[in-house]
Amino acid sequence: AISMTQSPSLLSASTGDKVTISCRLSQGISNYLAWYRQKPGKAPELLIYATSTLQSGVPSRFTGSGSGTDFTLTISGLQSEDFATYFCQQYFSFPWTFGQGTKVEIK
Amino acid sequence: QVRLQESGPGLVKPSQTLSLTCLVSGDSINNGNYYWTWIRQSAGKGLEWIGRIHISGSTTYNPSLKSRVTMSLDTSKNQFSLKMSSVTAADTAVYYCARDTVVLPHNWLDPWGQGTLVTVSS
Repeated sequence: AISMTQSPSLLSASTGDKVTISCRLSQGISNYLAWYRQKPGKAPELLIYATSTLQSGVPSRFTGSGSGTDFTLTISGLQSEDFATYFCQQYFSFPWTFGQGTKVEIK
Repeated sequence: QVRLQESGPGLVKPSQTLSLTCLVSGDSINNGNYYWTWIRQSAGKGLEWIGRIHISGSTTYNPSLKSRVTMSLDTSKNQFSLKMSSVTAADTAVYYCARDTVVLPHNWLDPWGQGTLVTVSS
């Protein structure tokens, strides 16, 4: 199975900040990567697929980039609802796998 | 608006079979554009993809769970199900169902159900 490592595991930031989360994979996956946000006590919700395509309704402050083994999620201008945990997920090969998560907390 | 809702026992004894159902509203599980998926989340293993099923009958399971997992569809009730046999404490997790959209070559999991906690304990 493809392993995925997110960094950092914990990120402290303030409302309005720009933050970047990294996702590194054990092998190349072209651009078959998605990002999810999980608010406390809730299910994950899709933000981005195909590395950089925003799901309908997702604000433009979310940007995804990368290819191969290194990917990035950038949030430009943190809002209160963005203090949550973020996961990357690959769908290049089965079994699909997820990163361990990056928690964005209020500084 | 598509909604998914998991249901099933919250407590299962070790060695028994875990059975969960996901009721789909706002869409039909007959729609061939989608796979219907189970994922679980535990403190120890994070998010783990369990597998998926398509209206054609095609299933794909996580090899780490394949010997214990069975998924099925009930088109009359517009729901799909997960059975996991011989459970242990390691199977304690929040179980989610989700719709897997396929627009080749890409897939995405959206929406997800709210999740249901299953505890394995005697």
